[in-house]
Amino acid sequence: QSVLTQPPSVSAAPGQKVTISCSGSSSNIGNNYVSWYQQLPGTAPKLLIYDNNKRPSGIPDRFSGSKSGTSATLGITGLQTGDEADYYCGTWDSSLGAVVFGGGTKLTVL
Amino acid sequence: EVQLVESGGGLVQPGGSLRLSCAASGFTFSSYWMSWVRQAPGKGLEWVANIKQDGSEKYYVDSVKGRLTISRDNAKNSLHLQMSSLRAEDTAVYYCARGRIGDYWGQGTLVTVSS
Repeated sequence: QSVLTQPPSVSAAPGQKVTISCSGSSSNIGNNYVSWYQQLPGTAPKLLIYDNNKRPSGIPDRFSGSKSGTSATLGITGLQTGDEADYYCGTWDSSLGAVVFGGGTKLTVL
Repeated sequence: EVQLVESGGGLVQPGGSLRLSCAASGFTFSSYWMSWVRQAPGKGLEWVANIKQDGSEKYYVDSVKGRLTISRDNAKNSLHLQMSSLRAEDTAVYYCARGRIGDYWGQGTLVTVSS
């Protein structure tokens, strides 16, 4: 059971928008920055969003992040078939003294 | 170009030991926290440990405390994970990642604990 809760799967059509939620508590999301990662099939994870809403260089602005209270959201617009992947949220948990990840969300672009 | 290349994975019996390494290049290794993250077959990501730039601070997930030890050699731009008393549940791909949030990741090395 993951400390951060994500929906197991989401789907949308090409060109559409999708959001992926990540729910936590005051000891993790509520008081720490959230990161988001994309893991394409058979590859290593890749950082998409850091510090709640910042994009590393090279990440298109189709990807966005936000945080409110103890929840965070990843948004992806203009969906492409190449976006099909597993997406994970992660943050520091001050009570556990550990980095925690969500269980991951599988995105299907129909 | 930032590169992280893991090595040292393989098949080991329960109770055995293994030492993973991560060779870093393309950035000033001694300026960054470094982390190990693992992923069991078909499962999600699990953070394992991280280490401060000078090695003075180390943090571990509870399930590996006392069995896995993270270390680094800044002179050789390398990160290590000494694994002992291995269990079947330690079977996973182990990734080396730069920083506490993992802004760059290696390709991973597979550790299989089985008799």
